Amino acid sequence: GNSVTQMEGPVTLSEEAFLTINCTYTATGYPSLFWYVQYPGEGLQLLLKATKADDKGSNKGFEATYRKETTSFHLEKGSVQVSDSAVYFCALIDGTYKYIFGTGTRLKVLA
Amino acid sequence: GAVVSQHPSRVICKSGTSVKIECRSLDFQATTMFWYRQFPKQSLMLMATSNEGSKATYEQGVEKDKFLINHASLTLSTLTVTSAHPEDSSFYICSATPGEGLGNTIYFGEGSWLTVV
Repeated sequence: GNSVTQMEGPVTLSEEAFLTINCTYTATGYPSLFWYVQYPGEGLQLLLKATKADDKGSNKGFEATYRKETTSFHLEKGSVQVSDSAVYFCALIDGTYKYIFGTGTRLKVLA
Repeated sequence: GAVVSQHPSRVICKSGTSVKIECRSLDFQATTMFWYRQFPKQSLMLMATSNEGSKATYEQGVEKDKFLINHASLTLSTLTVTSAHPEDSSFYICSATPGEGLGNTIYFGEGSWLTVV
């Protein structure tokens, strides 16, 4: 069946460091891929998405490229801020409303 | 601001009792709502899909008699954990969408932490 695997956290970085959170998926067909972020005490918010191979989703300085050949959708940011501290979820939809989520990766950015 | 709100955000209940979690869409009418749960260090797992005015569709392995879902209006869905046990302690989160089709954004609530003692 479909699945999403993302790197375990927590990830602790200093402010202005480069961030990569790895995400790989297994799916039949051509899923849409998403990154969601959950800040403390809040619901999941859509961070970015990509709906087809080679698409790049970007938002708030974060980027992720849909790589079909490696079945990956790694999240990157060139310079993280303390305010980026949150839990990040990689997810896919296979054509229905049913999300398949990764386990989430907690990011902590230190000033 | 939040467009989907859950209540309560945290609840502690005694083993054997029932507890209800509400999910409300604040800015739109939600034809479809989803309930997920997450165990520590595991993925968010879809429990059920509810459509307003009809019975919920449960995912395989989810006990429908234990996790009662009611979607009686276009802005409210409730999840009732009946005869709760400590193993039901988990993070429950709902999501809602205003309509069908992948073009419609899905909004998530803040989640509810349930602890059964």
